[in-house]
This record gives sequence, C-alpha cells and structure tokens, in this order.
Amino acid sequence: DQQVKQNSPSLSVQEGRISILNCDYTNSMFDYFLWYKKYPAEGPTFLISISSIKDKNEDGRFTVFLNKSAKHLSLHIVPSQPGDSAVYFCAATFNQAGTALIFGKGTTLSVSS
Amino acid sequence: KAGVTQTPRYLIKTRGQQVTLSCSPISGHRSVSWYQQTPGQGLQFLFEYFSETQRNKGNFPGRFSGRQFSNSRSEMNVSTLELGDSALYLCASSLEAGGNSPLHFGNGTRLTVT
Repeated sequence: DQQVKQNSPSLSVQEGRISILNCDYTNSMFDYFLWYKKYPAEGPTFLISISSIKDKNEDGRFTVFLNKSAKHLSLHIVPSQPGDSAVYFCAATFNQAGTALIFGKGTTLSVSS
Repeated sequence: KAGVTQTPRYLIKTRGQQVTLSCSPISGHRSVSWYQQTPGQGLQFLFEYFSETQRNKGNFPGRFSGRQFSNSRSEMNVSTLELGDSALYLCASSLEAGGNSPLHFGNGTRLTVT
C-alpha cells in the first residue's frame, strides 16, 4: 500500500519552460512534505519542504504547492535548466515519526536545451 | 563542511554472509537514519538513531540492525544475507531528530549479494 505516489515516472521539458512534478498521498496524518533531487551515483539532495499549515513555499526557482483537501502536492521549477535533469522524490512524514520519511518512487525529469 | 560519508562504496557478498556498513554524519548532526533503495520498492526507511538510541524502526526483519556511537558515527549490519538484500543503502544525518529537520544523504553503499 503506497502512501506516497508519484504517478508520472518521467517528464520531459524544454529549457526555460516550467516543470511541474506531482505527488499524491493517502495518509492524512502526514504534516510535513519534502522534495529531494537525485543524480546518478549520488545520494538524494534536499530541495524544498512545506508544512501542512501552509499551502505554498518558495525558494528561488522552486515552489511547492500543497492541497490538503486533495492530498496532493506539486513542485514547480521555473525556469527549467538542463542541470535540473535528475530523479525527483516526493517524501512525507509526521511529527512523531522522527526522520522516518515515506518516499514516492520518483519522477525522472529531463530538461532539453 | 564535509558531507555524510559512507564506506565502502561497493560491496559484493555471498548469500548467508553478514555485512557491516559505516556512516559518518555531518559534523554536529546527532541524528542518523538508514534507508534502502531498490528498483522495485524505492527508498524505504530502515531505522533512525539519535544520541546512541534507536528512535524509530522501519518494517524490516531482525537481520537488519544498527548502532550509533558517542561521536554520532553509525554502523548498519545485515546478517544471513539474502539475494533480495542487494540494494543501495543510504545513510542520512540531520541536526535534530524531528521530521522537520531535513535529511542530508551520503552517496550510499551499493551491496550486491550473489
């Protein structure tokens, strides 16, 4: 039973355009959500997070939106750059879980120049 | 500041053997977590240690164990290896033990069981 789902295994975008990566979750106890980026042969790198008390968080080119009623979050990258090509993981947790993150299976983003 | 260091990077073991993986967290980080990544199951939480105590454990058999030392360095042990244990094992450290403290991952140890 997957509690965090990334239904699109891959996404292709042109340089300069917007990339939108989606994530759905089933557990209403989740109160903190994170996005990680992973390059081949490296560990995941933290990108951005959002608490369930917010519906939007921005950090430079990256914005995460949270829709609690739909149990859906999305990561927007604007403008997309070739260096953004990587696997993006959505993760969720709740306060009592400590650092136990539940990860989605990832979306591979390819940004072409 | 140095990142999370995991050793070794690659390991090949035979079924039935045991293996120990090592992780050095970022200086000042007191929480260390371990994750297993496989193509089929993705990234799955193994366990978390904070101040030498296991705080949380994922849904893995008892063959998987770990410990944390007073300097926050951590080791993970897998006994009686099975073919299905072949995976990338990732260690992550964070400043605090709460979920709101982002994890910083190492580059992992690639374990192959033959």
